[in-house]
Amino acid sequence: AAGVIQSPRHLIKEKRETATLKCYPIPRHDTVYWYQQGPGQDPQFLISFYEKMQSDKGSIPDRFSAQQFSDYHSELNMSSLELGDSALYFCASSSLEAGNYGYTFGSGTRLTVV
Amino acid sequence: GENVEQHPSTLSVQEGDSAVIKCTYSDSASNYFPWYKQELGKGSQLIIDIRSNVGEKKDQRIAVTLNKTAKHFSLHITETQPEDSAVYFCAARTGRRALTFGSGTRLQVQP
Repeated sequence: AAGVIQSPRHLIKEKRETATLKCYPIPRHDTVYWYQQGPGQDPQFLISFYEKMQSDKGSIPDRFSAQQFSDYHSELNMSSLELGDSALYFCASSSLEAGNYGYTFGSGTRLTVV
Repeated sequence: GENVEQHPSTLSVQEGDSAVIKCTYSDSASNYFPWYKQELGKGSQLIIDIRSNVGEKKDQRIAVTLNKTAKHFSLHITETQPEDSAVYFCAARTGRRALTFGSGTRLQVQP
């Protein structure tokens, strides 16, 4: 079965650079979530989209933005990167309309800022 | 917003023993409680979930119990095996809102 696809798997950037993370949800899933997980920490919710509209906002810094496109894939854009942005970034999708409340997570993008 | 607390942070058991991980939540409106298993270098995998209209759910060696009055829910793993070793996260959500995760429990099953 198709899973949530995230790219790239690993990314190394320098301070003050920009990064774009991509997420391809499971087909027919209508909701996408982005989470940031620091080393040894629980996933922290950043932002979500339902039917291409932002539906919920968590602890996403102003330097970050995200959007969901017409094909339902989502991109997380990160600018003016800081060392503290180094983390594992997870994307998850679900289909609330289908009663599928559980997330399916991607394998994550490990971002290292040097 | 929702706050989820999870205990213990680490748990070591002997193979074949049972493991119990507990979570409490703050928002009485939360109605969905999943548990995720995260292995090193992998995404989180949903292992079991429960909705607020159910008190207990079981799937082979894994069970989850929910006490809505006390606002806590627990994960029970019986007959643990070395491959159960991972980090386990509980979570809670209200309606369409995003999941709020607990802080995770590192389970180590000693062969």
